[in-house]
Amino acid sequence: DTEVTQTPKHLVMGMTNKKSLKCEQHMGHRAMYWYKQKAKKPPELMFVYSYEKLSINESVPSRFSPECPNSSLLNLHLHALQPEDSALYLCASSQAPVSGYNEQFFGPGTRLTVL
Amino acid sequence: AQKVTQAQTEISVVEKEDVTLDCVYETRDTTYYLFWYKQPPSGELVFLIRRNSFDEQNEISGRYSWNFQKSTSSFNFTITASQVVDSAVYFCALSEMNRDDKIIFGKGTRLHILP
Repeated sequence: DTEVTQTPKHLVMGMTNKKSLKCEQHMGHRAMYWYKQKAKKPPELMFVYSYEKLSINESVPSRFSPECPNSSLLNLHLHALQPEDSALYLCASSQAPVSGYNEQFFGPGTRLTVL
Repeated sequence: AQKVTQAQTEISVVEKEDVTLDCVYETRDTTYYLFWYKQPPSGELVFLIRRNSFDEQNEISGRYSWNFQKSTSSFNFTITASQVVDSAVYFCALSEMNRDDKIIFGKGTRLHILP
């Protein structure tokens, strides 16, 4: 199984809502990533988990809260978002330990709209 | 500093034509990795190839081929006999050994294959 799944595919939320994005992989990867991608731009790294521990936070606002409950799952909790947070949120996974060598496998993304 | 430049923002070719996507990178490391990813309209980034800095052999995979030249810091991607299904955004990316799991993406080249 070489698939990374993400739910939901689309999400519309108001600025006062709380929602969560979910990501799952069954490739035995121990590194998982969240990216944000605005239209016509490359993906921007948000968070990296390595062996279920947060290893990188790219100065992401606290209204985004990641969680890695186990080696297969990655969540992104959203609260009090702004309209400019509307984007495609991509999850990825790779083998670990991370060294820059390992290719990342991406999910199809969640397209988020904040009203 | 790391940098990936994809000078071609958008390319349109007629089906069955050959097309080359350019990628130029900058790095001060001697050990690094180069990647190409494809992002079709569905949104998921698909890994195409990884090349490490010590392996300058060109690679061919079906209609796809890659030309890695360290002398010009380039890693170009050619699609031979293009097909409509090749229409996508293509990202060239760079990572350096032991650099915190980060991939640096170029801005992407949007490729349109016209029937």
